[in-house]
Amino acid sequence: GENVEQHPSTLSVQEGDSAVIKCTYSDSASNYFPWYKQELGKRPQLIIDIRSNVGEKKDQRIAVTLNKTAKHFSLHITETQPEDSAVYFCAATQSEQFYFGTGTSLTVIP
Amino acid sequence: NAGVTQTPKFRILKIGQSMTLQCTQDMNHNYMYWYRQDPGMGLKLIYYSVGAGITDKGEVPNGYNVSRSTTEDFPLRLELAAPSQTSVYFCASSYSGEGYTFGSGTRLTVV
Repeated sequence: GENVEQHPSTLSVQEGDSAVIKCTYSDSASNYFPWYKQELGKRPQLIIDIRSNVGEKKDQRIAVTLNKTAKHFSLHITETQPEDSAVYFCAATQSEQFYFGTGTSLTVIP
Repeated sequence: NAGVTQTPKFRILKIGQSMTLQCTQDMNHNYMYWYRQDPGMGLKLIYYSVGAGITDKGEVPNGYNVSRSTTEDFPLRLELAAPSQTSVYFCASSYSGEGYTFGSGTRLTVV
């Protein structure tokens, strides 16, 4: 099966700075890469996703980049705000099964 | 449109007891999933279903069973609870296998 690694496990940034979270995957057949945000005690929620035929996707302050050759993808959050503090999970899939990374706990310091 | 509804939200079981975690979705999604989330870990797939009458094992199916008799419902059964099953359980659904909608989770403690 697929193996997804996510780094870093924790990340602290000053409010207004950028945050970058990176994931690598092992199965070159994976073609869909979603990112989820999970606030403390809440359910994971989809924040952005990218398909393998696209190299970059942006939605306001959030962007995701994909490098298929190197098999890695990254989440970029610009102008971070305290409400961005949460755990972020990446995932990869080429079928019905999603394989999740172990999560990054992001803290935005006011 | 309630989305994905899970019950109960919290439960304490004694070792060897059984229980069923309920999951219902009203979005007419074909795909439904059960994940467990251990502290500091990612989500591990227990079982999934691509439609009524069809179920498949995920990464960590041992100790669990599922059924999918209708499109809406996907209950997860624990037959002989063990401490290793202490976790937060999330049900999820999707229309096409992408863009999951998660339920609010069930926090289960086995003592």
